[in-house]
Amino acid sequence: DAGVIQSPRHEVTEMGQEVTLRCKPISGHDYLFWYRQTMMRGLELLIYFNNNVPIDDSGMPEDRFSAKMPNASFSTLKIQPSEPRDSAVYFCASSLSGERLFFGSGTQLSVL
Amino acid sequence: SQQGEEDPQALSIQEGENATMNCSYKTSINNLQWYRQNSGRGLVHLILIRSNEREKHSGRLRVTLDTSKKSSSLLITASRAADTASYFCATDGGTYKYIFGTGTRLKVLA
Repeated sequence: DAGVIQSPRHEVTEMGQEVTLRCKPISGHDYLFWYRQTMMRGLELLIYFNNNVPIDDSGMPEDRFSAKMPNASFSTLKIQPSEPRDSAVYFCASSLSGERLFFGSGTQLSVL
Repeated sequence: SQQGEEDPQALSIQEGENATMNCSYKTSINNLQWYRQNSGRGLVHLILIRSNEREKHSGRLRVTLDTSKKSSSLLITASRAADTASYFCATDGGTYKYIFGTGTRLKVLA
């Protein structure tokens, strides 16, 4: 198995632009998590899905952030419009039955 | 607010020594997990301990859990330079909403 695949690996954009981060979870996993990591705030849980349904999005910082999981093999995290304070590493993780999390390599987002 | 807090924040030891890091959390849990993160990489799962377990071993790793004190410790024995990384605890708060601690940065000197 290729593991959790995230794209792009790096994203540099200008303030106000729309950013879409993508994640392909491990086949057969039924939980998917989006995290954001910064030096100041550490690892923050943004949202998680179970069987493609959003269960808890209380960590999504603002309405500018949205996440979808149209099917079991794909999820997106969208930021519109982006701001410099959104700069961080965004991780996607998947899990079978909600326990051990398998993380992707992350997307390094820089908003100028 | 974060569920878990690790201490120390940073730890530097010589190769061959043991490394101990601690995690405290705030609410009831079903399980507690430890993860490792190498610089610039994603987190890698190390070990899971359930709330009804007190100690668990995996290779050179030993994890203890004290639910009365809401704390856990991770011991790495006979450390190697390759163990240099950040280590995080994660707790589920009774659901699958995994919250990670602040992490301990471990440096193993060769």
